[in-house]
Amino acid sequence: KQEVTQIPAALSVPEGENLVLNCSFTDSAIYNLQWFRQDPGKGLTSLLLIQSSQREQTSGRLNASLDKSSGRSTLYIAASQPGDSATYLCAVRSSGGSNYKLTFGKGTLLTVNP
Amino acid sequence: DAGVTQSPTHLIKTRGQQVTLRCSPISGHKSVSWYQQVLGQGPQFIFQYYEKEERGRGNFPDRFSARQFPNYSSELNVNALLLGDSALYLCASSLGSVRETQYFGPGTRLLVL
Repeated sequence: KQEVTQIPAALSVPEGENLVLNCSFTDSAIYNLQWFRQDPGKGLTSLLLIQSSQREQTSGRLNASLDKSSGRSTLYIAASQPGDSATYLCAVRSSGGSNYKLTFGKGTLLTVNP
Repeated sequence: DAGVTQSPTHLIKTRGQQVTLRCSPISGHKSVSWYQQVLGQGPQFIFQYYEKEERGRGNFPDRFSARQFPNYSSELNVNALLLGDSALYLCASSLGSVRETQYFGPGTRLLVL
């Protein structure tokens, strides 16, 4: 059974700081990993999708890496801004019999202070 | 283009009642998935439909059911509501391949009293 863990559960940083969010998963047999952002009470906004054959993906100030063999992904946010404050969720799509679903971590609550 | 849309946005029901939640996928998307998110947790998978057929079901009781229509929109039904069914219900759509991005809607907030 795939399990996804995100550390830390919460993070508070001053504006302008670079930061890293961590995601680990127990079964390395995956198709891909997706990072999402969720604002309070809202739906999920897709940030980055990394296929199992890729090592990283970049979008603007965001960079996500994937080390499938060790079951780890990181989301790097450069020059953080107050508008980056949200919960960040990672989700994996396992290969094999349960490939129809995403398995999510509990998220990291990020607060960027002005 | 419109993203994934869900209705209603908020809903209040009492225990024992039944509820129907609706989802319209992004135009051209044939796959719809449903997730339940309780406060402080990550979303949990409920159902996936592709081309009107159920492709996967999560660990939820038979009180939960869903269907997909010929226009690829979907409904999630929950019968005999319990207090523990209070959650944000999220719908996601994609073209259908396991390699593709899942796009989520704004969710329906259900409160069971």
